[in-house]
Amino acid sequence: AQSVTQLGSHVSVSEGALVLLRCNYSSSVPPYLFWYVQYPNQGLQLLLKYTTGATLVKGINGFEAEFKKSETSFHLTKPSAHMSDAAEYFCAVSNPNTGNQFYFGTGTSLTVIP
Amino acid sequence: ETGVTQSPTHLIKTRGQQVTLRCSSQSGHNTVSWYQQALGQGPQFIFQYYREEENGRGNFPPRFSGLQFPNYSSELNVNALELDDSALYLCASSTRQAPIDSPLHFGNGTRLTVT
Repeated sequence: AQSVTQLGSHVSVSEGALVLLRCNYSSSVPPYLFWYVQYPNQGLQLLLKYTTGATLVKGINGFEAEFKKSETSFHLTKPSAHMSDAAEYFCAVSNPNTGNQFYFGTGTSLTVIP
Repeated sequence: ETGVTQSPTHLIKTRGQQVTLRCSSQSGHNTVSWYQQALGQGPQFIFQYYREEENGRGNFPPRFSGLQFPNYSSELNVNALELDDSALYLCASSTRQAPIDSPLHFGNGTRLTVT
């Protein structure tokens, strides 16, 4: 079975501070991992993805994530938060067995304090 | 490049009614997936359509049904609406039947409220 756990439903950081959003996954086979961002009243936008290869993945808007198989984690980071980063962030997992189904976490709401 | 568009943006229905939500895929995409996002939750997979056939279904009852048309646009139909059906319904298109590493491209969703 596949699942995603996002620790911390709400995270607050000061503008310019490090952003760290946590994601742990459960997958019976090597996973494909994704981070999406959702702004109010909008759909989800892909930030980055990991499928194979390099475990440190860089995405849009300065975000990156590292796949750590031993920890079953795929945490999202950004060195310096910007006010425009305030949004809801979702981690998702799929794999060749789930094929067409993505499993999403419950989301982390990021607040950036000026 | 035209993105995924959904209509309507908002909808209010009464319990027991039926509703149809519509989605136009992103240009070049032949696969459409539908997700339900309840308030404060992550999206939940409803089903996917590829070449006008249902290609995978999540844990949703049969009163949730869909269609895909030759131009790859899609409809989500929900019969006998229940209060718990109130949610944001997201359509996502992709380029493969089984988007193993092909990310989903989402529309802005339809907010359905059942009273």
